[in-house]
Amino acid sequence: QSVVTQPPSVSGTPGQRVTISCSGSNTDIGTNSVYWFRQFPGAAPELLIHQIDQRPSGVPDRFSGSRTGTTASLAISGLRSEDEADYYCAVCDDSRGGVVVFGGGTKLTVL
Amino acid sequence: EVHLEESGGTLVKAGRSLRLSCVTSGFSFGDYAMTWIRQAPGKGLEWLGLIRNRASGGTPLYAASVKSRFSISRDDSRGIAYLQMNTLNTEDTATYYCARDRSLSYGGSPGWLDPWGRGTLVTVSS
Repeated sequence: QSVVTQPPSVSGTPGQRVTISCSGSNTDIGTNSVYWFRQFPGAAPELLIHQIDQRPSGVPDRFSGSRTGTTASLAISGLRSEDEADYYCAVCDDSRGGVVVFGGGTKLTVL
Repeated sequence: EVHLEESGGTLVKAGRSLRLSCVTSGFSFGDYAMTWIRQAPGKGLEWLGLIRNRASGGTPLYAASVKSRFSISRDDSRGIAYLQMNTLNTEDTATYYCARDRSLSYGGSPGWLDPWGRGTLVTVSS
């Protein structure tokens, strides 16, 4: 069982804005950088957001990350059908010796 | 172009050992920590561990769930990271990915995994 909690699923219609939450504690999300990854079916995960709110080159600004307290969020605006994928947050957990923990993943469905 | 490719995945009987390789190219391998992650069929991602670069001590860090059975090593001269898995059981059936961890290069906490390899499938039969 993950110590970092994500909703199993979220959905939205094209053009909408959706958010995916990643809830943790003071020893992980409350202290360390949060990372977001996207995974399409049958493919390897890819980095979407690093250091809470930074986008790698090539990631459109429709994707944004934030953190409030011990909860991080990934927001996707202007939802497109091609955004349908699994999304994972990851963070270092100081209470577990600095290992990385992934959230359980969120399946985004574009209706 | 930065490239990572895993190999070594196969069908193996429970109790046996297996070593996976992550062959890299396109970057200065010795400057980065390397990480292994797995994904059981239909399940989420599980971080297994990393090996730091030489400048950070070259030491490994493991998830508690695999610490007693798995070990990670690296060959900086060849740009390869390894995952040695011992006493495999059916719960180790998964796709295994390697990824470059960029965060440790600037002194940050691990997790900045970019890029990832395509993965290699390990199937453990009983």
